Amino acid sequence: DIQLTQSPSFLSASVGDRVTITCRASQGISSYLAWYQQKPGKAPKLLIYAASTLQSGVPSRFSGSGSGTEFTLTISSLQPEDFATYYCQQLNSYSFTFGPGTKVDIK
Amino acid sequence: EVQLVESGGGLVQPGGSLRLSCAASGFTFSSYEMNWVRQAPGKGLEWVSYISSSGSTIYYADSVKGRFTISRDNAKNSLYLQMNSLRAEDTAVYYCARTHDYGDHDAFDIWGQGTMVTVSS
Repeated sequence: DIQLTQSPSFLSASVGDRVTITCRASQGISSYLAWYQQKPGKAPKLLIYAASTLQSGVPSRFSGSGSGTEFTLTISSLQPEDFATYYCQQLNSYSFTFGPGTKVDIK
Repeated sequence: EVQLVESGGGLVQPGGSLRLSCAASGFTFSSYEMNWVRQAPGKGLEWVSYISSSGSTIYYADSVKGRFTISRDNAKNSLYLQMNSLRAEDTAVYYCARTHDYGDHDAFDIWGQGTMVTVSS
């Protein structure tokens, strides 16, 4: 099965900061990667699919990049509503693995 | 409004069974692949099971294979998860999630609100 790791697992940032989260796959997954945002007590929300395509309605301050085994999610200017946990997910093969998550907290 | 609503969660003893349901509305359910994803308290997301739009193709995570059964009734716009031989480690919020086909790529674009399953004596 394909394993995903995320770094950092936790980050503390301020409103307006540029934030980057990395997701690494144990084997190449081309661009079959999605990013989700989850707030406490809520269901995950799709942000990005195909590694870099923004889901409809998602603010343009979110962007994704990468291919193969290394991917990044960037928030260009962190807003108060962006404090949440972020997960990557591989959709290259069935097992649809999620990464362990990155919690973004207020500094 | 496109919506998924889970039900059927609750408290069950180890070794017991439970059947979860997910009611879909606002879209053509029979055209979409569906999934169950779970989240143990304070933990991350774990994909549990997948079913194709017709129900002919099914996959399970190793952690539930042989104990859980996914199914769907397209006439009733409903997805199900039959959970048998439940263990304490199955305690989680269970979400149903729709797979959206964006051409060459998929993603889980619509999620239900989740239903809590607690396995405890």
